[in-house]
Amino acid sequence: EIVLTQSPATLSLSPGERATLSCRASQSVSSYLAWYQHKPGQAPRLLIYDASNRATGIPARFSGSGSGTDFTLTISSLEPEDFAVYYCHQRSNWLTFGGGTKVEIK
Amino acid sequence: EVQVVESGGGLVQPGGSLRLSCAASGFTVNSYYMSWVRQAPGKGLEWVSVIWTGGSTSYADSVKGRFTISRDNSKNTVSLQMNSLRAEDTAVYYCARDVGKPSDYWGQGTLVTVSS
Repeated sequence: EIVLTQSPATLSLSPGERATLSCRASQSVSSYLAWYQHKPGQAPRLLIYDASNRATGIPARFSGSGSGTDFTLTISSLEPEDFAVYYCHQRSNWLTFGGGTKVEIK
Repeated sequence: EVQVVESGGGLVQPGGSLRLSCAASGFTVNSYYMSWVRQAPGKGLEWVSVIWTGGSTSYADSVKGRFTISRDNSKNTVSLQMNSLRAEDTAVYYCARDVGKPSDYWGQGTLVTVSS
């Protein structure tokens, strides 16, 4: 099983600041890495697929990068609606999620 | 319009069984891989099971031997039979298609509570 480790567990930032989230895989997942945003009471929302492709309707302030074992999700300037939990997900070998990074208001 | 609606959640005693159903509309379930993903209270997302387009299935180690995923193409539904339930199976269960791909789509979830 491929283990995805996300860091940090919590990110305390103010609106307008830049957020950088990390996801490290225990073995290569090539580019089969996605990022999800999850808010309480809602279904998870796909932000990025295949490491760097924005999903339909996702604002340009969200960007993804990386390949192999190290990946990054960047939110260039946080909007109030961006405070949520973010998960990385791999579909290279079965399916797994990372433990999540909570982006909270500072 | 694409829709995925889960049903069948509820309160069940430890050791009991429950069957979740996922009704799809706007697409055919056998054209996508369909997954169950859960979130326990205060925890992160955990992939539970998947049925691939060819019909093969996979399970997380935590549910292997207790849960069974199946698909009914005539009814366009996916089900999750959950046996020998434990307190740690308490979670919101989501049905989703093509998790991780641009064609992904998730239901709103159904709550399963395992408690005496």
